[in-house]
Amino acid sequence: RKEVEQDPGPFNVPEGATVAFNCTYSNSASQSFFWYRQDCRKEPKLLMSVYSSGNEDGRFTAQLNRASQYISLLIRDSKLSDSATYLCVVGDYKLSFGAGTTVTVRA
Amino acid sequence: GAVVSQHPSWVICKSGTSVKIECRSLDFQATTMFWYRQFPKQSLMLMATSNEGSKATYEQGVEKDKFLINHASLTLSTLTVTSAHPEDSSFYICSASRSQGWDSPLHFGNGTRLTVT
Repeated sequence: RKEVEQDPGPFNVPEGATVAFNCTYSNSASQSFFWYRQDCRKEPKLLMSVYSSGNEDGRFTAQLNRASQYISLLIRDSKLSDSATYLCVVGDYKLSFGAGTTVTVRA
Repeated sequence: GAVVSQHPSWVICKSGTSVKIECRSLDFQATTMFWYRQFPKQSLMLMATSNEGSKATYEQGVEKDKFLINHASLTLSTLTVTSAHPEDSSFYICSASRSQGWDSPLHFGNGTRLTVT
């Protein structure tokens, strides 16, 4: 079983829609959780850390469910510029990366 | 702005040659840097952990004699792909954290796209 698994998508959504997806992890001792955004052929960039209580940054909301060992990302009011691959990153000192979920927002 | 700089952004080389990639932390000292490789539509795979002043720690399956890592200063780590072959063609990315804490996010370099012909 992979350490971090994501639905690869793609999630094709119209502008203004809400899209949400999860990431499951296998190591119950994981302490760090992040969502990164990666544009085609570019480096990953930090979107947001994920805290136990859940957190929100503008149109983006992240949740952590330790019992079921997954984190989620919800994007509200999708913009064309949100089209990207979203990488789930989990671990502690050593981080593991998911393969990414591709989101395509269409006009 | 960028906090980790990587150079070059892309390189094309002939089979059998060696390629050096540099990773610099721009406004902080990084005792540890990480090197990853990413094939198309796949996740980043950690290749090695670069430790300033000591030997790098390589992940299982990564040949240390092929991927030479040097972390000679607190702001610079280099990865040299020796005797490159077409199967080494990939996207190589480095990263570093501002602090040692496990909750400190990674900052990535802009990546190096290596094509070996």
